[in-house]
Amino acid sequence: QSALTQPASVSGSPGQSITISCTGTSSDVARYNLVSWYQQYPGKVPKLMISEVSKRPSGVSNRFSGSKSGNTASLTISGLQAEDEADYYCCSYTSSSTVLFGGGTKLTVL
Amino acid sequence: EVQLVESGGGLVQPGGSLRLSCAASGFTFSRYWMSWVRQAPGKGLEWVANIKDDGSEKHYVDSVEGRFTISRDNAKNSLYLQVNSLRVEDTAVYYCGRGSVARDYWGQGTLVTVSS
Repeated sequence: QSALTQPASVSGSPGQSITISCTGTSSDVARYNLVSWYQQYPGKVPKLMISEVSKRPSGVSNRFSGSKSGNTASLTISGLQAEDEADYYCCSYTSSSTVLFGGGTKLTVL
Repeated sequence: EVQLVESGGGLVQPGGSLRLSCAASGFTFSRYWMSWVRQAPGKGLEWVANIKDDGSEKHYVDSVEGRFTISRDNAKNSLYLQVNSLRVEDTAVYYCGRGSVARDYWGQGTLVTVSS
């Protein structure tokens, strides 16, 4: 199965909002509300930021939000901060009972 | 405090085998799906396998099906990944995680290097 499709990079200035898209198919993103988002700093362990499309785990800033429309899920970061600069990965359950990651998006805070 | 500690990685020749372990503590291990995710050097995350809380269901990414086996011992609070017939492209940091799609806790990872 092919990876979910994410833009390779996005950028924004401090205080702005950015959105990272994650495109799948009718067999994964569109079919289940089981999309998660992870943040990873270089050399560090991934951190869960969003689960089940839009649920924020305890301790995650409310500047992070998730949504889904059809076969595309999105992660929005509002009030961009320098510390948000990292790699972001989406992840979805599939109809084959497997799990797919996106290729990752590098967020640059200008 | 939830902790996941992987071990068992190392340098192995193509065709070789390793057994990766993940020791869990700080939560009721037997109530959670667990998974293995890997990351090749400089690359993105790739889901490898997951296992249901009671071990009755196991799922794998196509590229490791038939070569890797995920298992768990709930009495020992431990997760395992037997990796056989290793290929150069299996070189990666292998992370164990609590959960299936939404992994709220991750270990620090164990590096598997496949090289002759």
